[in-house]
Amino acid sequence: DGGITQSPKYLFRKEGQNVTLSCEQNLNHDAMYWYRQDPGQGLRLIYYSQIVNDFQKGDIAEGYSVSREKKESFPLTVTSAQKNPTAFYLCASQSQGTNQPQHFGDGTRLSIL
Amino acid sequence: AQSVAQPEDQVNVAEGNPLTVKCTYSVSGNPYLFWYVQYPNRGLQFLLKYITGDNLVKGSYGFEAEFNKSQTSFHLKKPSALVSDSALYFCAVSQGGKLIFGQGTELSVKP
Repeated sequence: DGGITQSPKYLFRKEGQNVTLSCEQNLNHDAMYWYRQDPGQGLRLIYYSQIVNDFQKGDIAEGYSVSREKKESFPLTVTSAQKNPTAFYLCASQSQGTNQPQHFGDGTRLSIL
Repeated sequence: AQSVAQPEDQVNVAEGNPLTVKCTYSVSGNPYLFWYVQYPNRGLQFLLKYITGDNLVKGSYGFEAEFNKSQTSFHLKKPSALVSDSALYFCAVSQGGKLIFGQGTELSVKP
């Protein structure tokens, strides 16, 4: 089955620690996205990538970093500079064309220990 | 700047009754509009989209949406609600390859 896989489902971070969230897709989509979801605030864009080896900051990129070395993979690192990392993180992918829907993974819930 | 508003945080409907989840947008040019549904601790699932053409768009699970350019609205509708429709619904508009989401509307369908 084609789709997007996010792992782990739940993640805990200690103070001062960097953590990396995995996102893999086998849909052969060019574009990939990372969103943060907080209660009552909808989804906010962290980073996105429309092609391998290139990515752009979204609305709330501070304290996060990404890489796009392979078409199918777009990992997100939550650094210690992100002071309020507790949230539900969603990864999405999209085929070419802005009129195509984005396809979402099932998310990673990050909490602070 | 483009934006999307969902004016109701929560909508309550009795099973079997019609439902409407409201969405208004502000864009420059012609909008690409989307509706997604999210169940607890899951990702978003695509329901339907409006690109151009008929103002009434049909989507998954019996949902449909009506595009109204003069009112800049894209309300989600279903003729007969099911308890299993209870979920969080998001309206979104496409801008330069990115999606801008509304804050979401919690739909509760009671038996």
